[in-house]
Parts: sequence; structure tokens; C-alpha cells
Amino acid sequence: DTAVSQTPKYLVTQMGNDKSIKCEQNLGHDTMYWYKQDSKKFLKIMFSYNNKELIINETVPNRFSPKSPDKAHLNLHINSLELGDSAVYFCASSLTGQAADNSPLHFGNGTRLTVT
Amino acid sequence: QQQVKQSPQSLIVQKGGISIINCAYENTAFDYFPWYQQFPGKGPALLIAIRPDVSEKKEGRFTISFNKSAKQFSLHIMDSQPGDSATYFCAASKRTSGSRLTFGEGTQLTVNP
Repeated sequence: DTAVSQTPKYLVTQMGNDKSIKCEQNLGHDTMYWYKQDSKKFLKIMFSYNNKELIINETVPNRFSPKSPDKAHLNLHINSLELGDSAVYFCASSLTGQAADNSPLHFGNGTRLTVT
Repeated sequence: QQQVKQSPQSLIVQKGGISIINCAYENTAFDYFPWYQQFPGKGPALLIAIRPDVSEKKEGRFTISFNKSAKQFSLHIMDSQPGDSATYFCAASKRTSGSRLTFGEGTQLTVNP
């Protein structure tokens, strides 16, 4: 049973296209996130949702739009893809929105996006 | 501006040795310091975490040492094993900012048999 699952695992597409990444968690957590890991493995938060409400929106281009249909799902839609969007995108969830030992981040296995 | 700086970028240790990874932070409002472990093709997973009210926390072979005055914390892996080979990330957050973790740049650890 995968706790945080995201699809697809790999995504290769051309510049200018629009693509979506889906994420689902079966942990019953209230908070979900999108993180971006660049080629140097640097991890940076993009968005956070708590019970379907956007609570963190880092400086991310408007081409990136998260959508949370319910608290178990957080999808990421990217418009007009650019070369610089190539990265691994991780979905994560936590029990609450507070950083604590009893509420660690649970990450999915990532979606490797390659824009050509 | 990198708020959490991690070193070294890569580390090679012999089996049975001690692996030490260091992190320094700038924001004195940070009050939660976790370490995450990431294997190739997988997402990071919480390894161990500490709050600034203690100077050390140990879980099995993994120990965090915390120096509040120096704004530094480190991960020690005792009796390192080949299975510990992974990328390790330190992170920091403020309780008031929820789980907005600021990650270090990561350390690629290789433990040779």
C-alpha cells in the first residue's frame, strides 16, 4: 500500500505543452504539498493545502496551478511548459500543517518531468 | 538566499566508520530541525528530528547534535553501513509557519563495504 502515490512517474513533453501530475494520499492527513527538486537535488516547497484550502504559495510562476478536489488529492497543472521546468516534482502530506515529530512529511516517489 | 547551509556535498565512508554531516542556519526563529534520507528513485523520508531545547537526540545509530548559540546542527551516523548510502537533507522550520520546511542542499553519502 503506497501512502502517497503520484502519477505519472516519468513525463517527457515538449516546450509549450500543458501537463498535469496527480497525487493521492491514503494516510488521512489534512495537509498536502508540492515540492520541486532540481538537478542539484535541491528541494523547495511550491504549494501547501490544508483541507483543500491553499495555505502556502511560494514564488512560483502562474503557469503552475495546484488543485485539491478533496483533502486526499492534490494535483499540479502546468501550462506552457518551459525547459527550466525540468525537475522532479514531489507530492507530500502531513497529519497537520504544523512541523512536529508526530506530523512529519510523507513524500511520494516523485514525477520526473523532462521538457524538451 | 540560502537559509540552511549543508556540508559536505558528498561523503565517502568505510563500513563501520562514522559519517558526519553538518548544517548551519541563519533564522533564529527556526525551532524544528529534521533530517531526511532519500534513496535513488524515492522520495525523502524522515530520519530523525530535534527541537532547540535539547542539545542531542539519539535514535539507534543516528544522532543529532544541536548547538543553538552557533546556529549549527549535525547528523552523526555511527557504524555506517552500505545500506546507509543515500542522500541526506537537513531542514528547518518555524512552528508558526507550519510545515514550510527549508531544506539544505543535501549530502550524497556513500558507504563502501
